[in-house]
Amino acid sequence: GQSLEQPSEVTAVEGAIVQINCTYQTSGFYGLSWYQQHDGGAPTFLSYNGLDGLEETGRFSSFLSRSDSYGYLLLQELQMKDSASYFCAPRGTNAGKSTFGDGTTLTVKP
Amino acid sequence: DAGITQSPRHKVTETGTPVTLRCHQTENHRYMYWYRQDPGHGLRLIHYSYGVKDTDKGEVSDGYSVSRSKTEDFLLTLESATSSQTSVYFCAHHGESITGELFFGEGSRLTVL
Repeated sequence: GQSLEQPSEVTAVEGAIVQINCTYQTSGFYGLSWYQQHDGGAPTFLSYNGLDGLEETGRFSSFLSRSDSYGYLLLQELQMKDSASYFCAPRGTNAGKSTFGDGTTLTVKP
Repeated sequence: DAGITQSPRHKVTETGTPVTLRCHQTENHRYMYWYRQDPGHGLRLIHYSYGVKDTDKGEVSDGYSVSRSKTEDFLLTLESATSSQTSVYFCAHHGESITGELFFGEGSRLTVL
């Protein structure tokens, strides 16, 4: 079967660093994507890892370890606007058939 | 901008009535998807399309049907709406990038009373 685990809530202060972990069990794994969703909005793509290792995009980085079925999203220099839900989404060859977990709600405090 | 327009954006209807949600795109995307998102949860795939008249079921397709008679429009129909179908519905597409980045519409919030 398929399973996906990420923390339900994380709280941090402005300027801090936060890591959101994701463990998955899915058949036909091809890569791991991360999406951000602000309250009432549509999900937006943040990052993708097709290979093991770290991908960096500005303040955000994402990591994947295929052997451990594990990944994380690292957010640095947190800003208030980073308060949102973050979803890890393992995918097969069809990106549209990604599995979305229940997400992690990040609250950034002053 | 995802290049997707969803309509209606908000709808309230009664149990047992038919409902059609429309996803319109003007960028000739081949792959289109319909998801639903319930409060506090992630997205679940309802149906998807690989092209005109080429559709398939996702993980939560019961109670839903889709049609794609032309590239621009991907319609999601609830033949007889139930309260359990109260949700936010998102249409999405992805391009040919290796990342498989999904681009979502703004969502259609459906309430079934």
